[in-house]
Amino acid sequence: GENVEQHPSTLSVQEGDSAVIKCTYSDSASNYFPWYKQELGKGPQLIIDIRSNVGEKKDQRIAVTLNKTAKHFSLHITETQPEDSAVYFCAADNTDKLIFGTGTRLQVFP
Amino acid sequence: GAGVSQSPRYKVAKRGQDVALRCDPISGHVSLFWYQQALGQGPEFLTYFQNEAQLDKSGLPSDRFFAERPEGSVSTLKIQRTQQEDSAVYLCASSLAAGTYGYTFGSGTRLTVV
Repeated sequence: GENVEQHPSTLSVQEGDSAVIKCTYSDSASNYFPWYKQELGKGPQLIIDIRSNVGEKKDQRIAVTLNKTAKHFSLHITETQPEDSAVYFCAADNTDKLIFGTGTRLQVFP
Repeated sequence: GAGVSQSPRYKVAKRGQDVALRCDPISGHVSLFWYQQALGQGPEFLTYFQNEAQLDKSGLPSDRFFAERPEGSVSTLKIQRTQQEDSAVYLCASSLAAGTYGYTFGSGTRLTVV
């Protein structure tokens, strides 16, 4: 079955710096890769997603890149702000269910 | 409603007790999913409904876990004879169409088994 690995597990950055979170997946049949932000006591919130026929997608300060050959995808957050502090999860769609990574705790210091 | 609503938000159960967790998806959403999230981990798939049909229950950890969605709207996840290892946050998600695109998650039910 699908396996998703996520790195790093924690990431601390200064406000205004960029943050990058990386994931790898194992099943080449996976074709949809969403990213979720989870704040304390809340459910995961979809922030951006990418399908396998696209290499990159941007939405304001957030971008996702996908390398299907290497089975890698990454989340890039530019001009980080304290409100970006949260746990971020990557996921891969595997036959109508999402397989999640283990999460990255991002802390943005003012 | 505006979002996915789950109740109760918190549940404390004594070991061996049965519990029922409720999910109200966004109105009109066809797909409904249950996930289990242990502390410090990513959500893990439990089961998937398309309307009232349970299409995948491969993630249910044991036969003590049962889910239903009889009218294709509200869903209930039932856990019988709870064990300490069942302690987790149970998340429900719904999406407008079939499959996983554009899920919206609820805030979850935190179950603590003592």
